[in-house]
Amino acid sequence: NAGVTQTPKFQVLKTGQSMTLQCAQDMNHEYMSWYRQDPGMGLRLIHYSVGAGITDQGEVPNGYNVSRSTTEDFPLRLLSAAPSQTSVYFCAVRQLAKNIQYFGAGTRLSVL
Amino acid sequence: DAKTTQPNSMESNEEEPVHLPCNHSTISGTDYIHWYRQLPSQGPEYVIHGLTSNVNNRMASLAIAEDRKSSTLILHRATLRDAAVYYCILSGGAQKLVFGQGTRLTINP
Repeated sequence: NAGVTQTPKFQVLKTGQSMTLQCAQDMNHEYMSWYRQDPGMGLRLIHYSVGAGITDQGEVPNGYNVSRSTTEDFPLRLLSAAPSQTSVYFCAVRQLAKNIQYFGAGTRLSVL
Repeated sequence: DAKTTQPNSMESNEEEPVHLPCNHSTISGTDYIHWYRQLPSQGPEYVIHGLTSNVNNRMASLAIAEDRKSSTLILHRATLRDAAVYYCILSGGAQKLVFGQGTRLTINP
């Protein structure tokens, strides 16, 4: 997972709390995205960005906000955490001209 | 997005070849076929991708049917480190990856 750094690795929140999951890359790739993975399931796309200043919604965007002010960073914000947001979150990056996505190691989030 | 169908699980022995099938009967002409794998407690890892022709790389081979409605990921000599969930994914012009549930591959020593 070299090049894509996610912080924190683990987080426990209470219902209603807010937090930001960080994703940083040093690969200079245009495309960045956030996925969530629930137990025994595949990944579902939350939000994505094709470059600084541009973001768009994926399959499951409700309850999450994103912004992309730089090429390197793509934070995911939970404004009011809910137990349904308990999941593992993965950030991924890709060069727009190529078909390979590189994933971070994930953030494991529990909302009580 | 076009859908893929994979077996839920497969089992093989170490040092033997493994053929992981994927059906994608509604594939469109612009859809690439991607394979990613996810080792336990890790993020997904790119394996291989192709459009029409068979592809080889250091990790695996991808065999694509002539009508493109199915494909097979081939691990030539499985090792214990190949035990993972393997995802077959189609991506077209939208360039987004839509993951299904994948195939859980178990390798026996």
